[in-house]
Amino acid sequence: QSVLTQPPSVSAAPGQKVTISCSGSISNILNNDVSWYQQFPGTAPKLLIYGNDKRPSGIPDRFSGSKSGTSATLDIAGLQTGDEAVYYCGTWDSTPNDGVFGGGTQLTV
Amino acid sequence: DVQLVESGGGLVQPGGSLTLSCSASGSTISPYTMNWVRQAPGKGLEWVSAISSTSIYMYYADSVEGRFTISRDNAKNSVYLQLDSLRAEDSAVYYCTRDLTEGIGGNWFDPWGQGTLVTVSS
Repeated sequence: QSVLTQPPSVSAAPGQKVTISCSGSISNILNNDVSWYQQFPGTAPKLLIYGNDKRPSGIPDRFSGSKSGTSATLDIAGLQTGDEAVYYCGTWDSTPNDGVFGGGTQLTV
Repeated sequence: DVQLVESGGGLVQPGGSLTLSCSASGSTISPYTMNWVRQAPGKGLEWVSAISSTSIYMYYADSVEGRFTISRDNAKNSVYLQLDSLRAEDSAVYYCTRDLTEGIGGNWFDPWGQGTLVTVSS
């Protein structure tokens, strides 16, 4: 059972927008920054969003993140079939000082 | 930028030990907290351990506390994970990753290595 809660799957048509939610608690999301990762089968995760809403160099602006209270969201606009992957949210949990991830959300386009 | 390469995985019997290594190239990892994250086959990501830049702070997931030991050698630009008393549920791909958060206690993991597979089975 993951500390952060994500929907197991989401789907949308090409060109549409999808939102992936990540729910946590005071000790993790409320008090720490959230990151989002994209993982394709058989490959290592890749950083998509850090600091709740910042994109690393090279990440398209179709990907955006936000945080409010104990929840965070990842929005993906202008969906492409190449976006089909598993998306994970992650943060630090100040009690008991552990890294934590969501269970992952499979995106189908 | 930095590239991370893990090694040391393999097949080990329950109760056995392994040492995983993460070698960095391209730039120094010495200013950064380093983490190990694992992924069991078909499962999600599980954070395992973190070590601060000067090894003052080390944190472990409850599931590995007392059995795994993280360490680093900044002179060799490397991080290690000693796995003892291994169990079947420790079977996973183990990833090494750099945390770009200032200090310890973040989840700004970039980049990730390609991972090394640990299989615990008799």
